[in-house]
Amino acid sequence: DAKTTQPPSMDCAEGRAANLPCNHSTISGNEYVYWYRQIHSQGPQYIIHGLKNNETNEMASLIITEDRKSSTLILPHATLRDTAVYYCIVRGDSGGGADGLTFGKGTHLIIQP
Amino acid sequence: DAGVIQSPRHEVTEMGQEVTLRCKPISGHNSLFWYRQTMMRGLELLIYFNNNVPIDDSGMPEDRFSAKMPNASFSTLKIQPSEPRDSAVYFCASRTISTDTQYFGPGTRLTVL
Repeated sequence: DAKTTQPPSMDCAEGRAANLPCNHSTISGNEYVYWYRQIHSQGPQYIIHGLKNNETNEMASLIITEDRKSSTLILPHATLRDTAVYYCIVRGDSGGGADGLTFGKGTHLIIQP
Repeated sequence: DAGVIQSPRHEVTEMGQEVTLRCKPISGHNSLFWYRQTMMRGLELLIYFNNNVPIDDSGMPEDRFSAKMPNASFSTLKIQPSEPRDSAVYFCASRTISTDTQYFGPGTRLTVL
């Protein structure tokens, strides 16, 4: 799986959009970008994933650059409950037997009231 | 949907004792993962199963660690004998083989004195 680089921490004001960047310059053509988050004292939680098109679900939006070397996770209206560590993970499609997730250090997002 | 269930949630034991952690995956999921999280090493994969069969146990730190999945709805992670350096939060996760979205349990916080 390709290596990812994320800032160690970020602050965002409550109610504003939180934009979390991730660099994955060595990503290969069949690798997806996944985002998970871990709220304090809880297990990691899946947020969203994408291959090359932008994706949106009820939790967030994922913007992947055209060259796929970086992406941004967007929480459109951050709340205090969004304070968590956010992990960007690049991996190939499982299709029946991929291994476990490789977590880096992630970005500690702190939502300020 | 009850989600992934882990027990116990907290375990405190003395060095040398046997510890058994339990996991019930989401019904219908056929892959199960055990992870360990420490401050020093972050989240790391220990072992995973597909259709109850262990696929990759290269993350299991030592022979003191063993994992079983006797059926599709139950898995155990056993540490015998336990040591203080085994103190960590142990997470179980499950998914369907056809997708790569993993669902994590709440974790078991293990303290070995």
